[in-house]
Amino acid sequence: QQPVQSPQAVILREGEDAVINCSSSKALYSVHWYRQKHGEAPVFLMILLKGGEQKGHEKISASFNEKKQQSSLYLTASQLSYSGTYFCGTPFTGGAQKLVFGQGTRLTINP
Amino acid sequence: DAMVIQNPRYQVTQFGKPVTLSCSQTLNHNVMYWYQQKSSQAPKLLFHYYDKDFNNEADTPDNFQSRRPNTSFCFLDIRSPGLGDAAMYLCATSRVRSPGTGLYEQYFGPGTRLTVT
Repeated sequence: QQPVQSPQAVILREGEDAVINCSSSKALYSVHWYRQKHGEAPVFLMILLKGGEQKGHEKISASFNEKKQQSSLYLTASQLSYSGTYFCGTPFTGGAQKLVFGQGTRLTINP
Repeated sequence: DAMVIQNPRYQVTQFGKPVTLSCSQTLNHNVMYWYQQKSSQAPKLLFHYYDKDFNNEADTPDNFQSRRPNTSFCFLDIRSPGLGDAAMYLCATSRVRSPGTGLYEQYFGPGTRLTVT
């Protein structure tokens, strides 16, 4: 049931764009995105609740395609502070109050 | 500021010596989670509480126990730590899911890094 993220790792220069994908083999009703910097706890970025929904946080935005059972996170004009590992999380089916996290995408931004 | 606090931040224990990690929150959230995270891996859910209702993951070893004496506090007990239990332990909280709205976001504490010698 774990969602699958791609790519596993990305290396960019500051100012470049990146896309991180999260897909599930099961129906998706919502997707969470978190960022974890090295040695720190994950920090919530955004939740997408509806198919077709798009959200943004500074230059980080995300879309959710319910039919394709996937979500994408877009990082535009990346900054050094965007470095870290990005996790998507999907609610466990069955009504439990818990998320299943993808394996993570490590993003490295170089000057 | 409302937050999730974990103590200690770093814990060193000996092989087989019981250890307790603590988590407290001032967010008044009903749901509390314990995750284990090893290097370069995603957080792995060990168990979670919905108020006082305890929910254990099927693959959580019996060596791991938890207590939640009240809304604010939650403890993780590792009865006989092995070398494989060395990891970052993360506590998180969230509000209760409402029908039609999906799960709310989780707020993580800074984590406790456990070393087993």
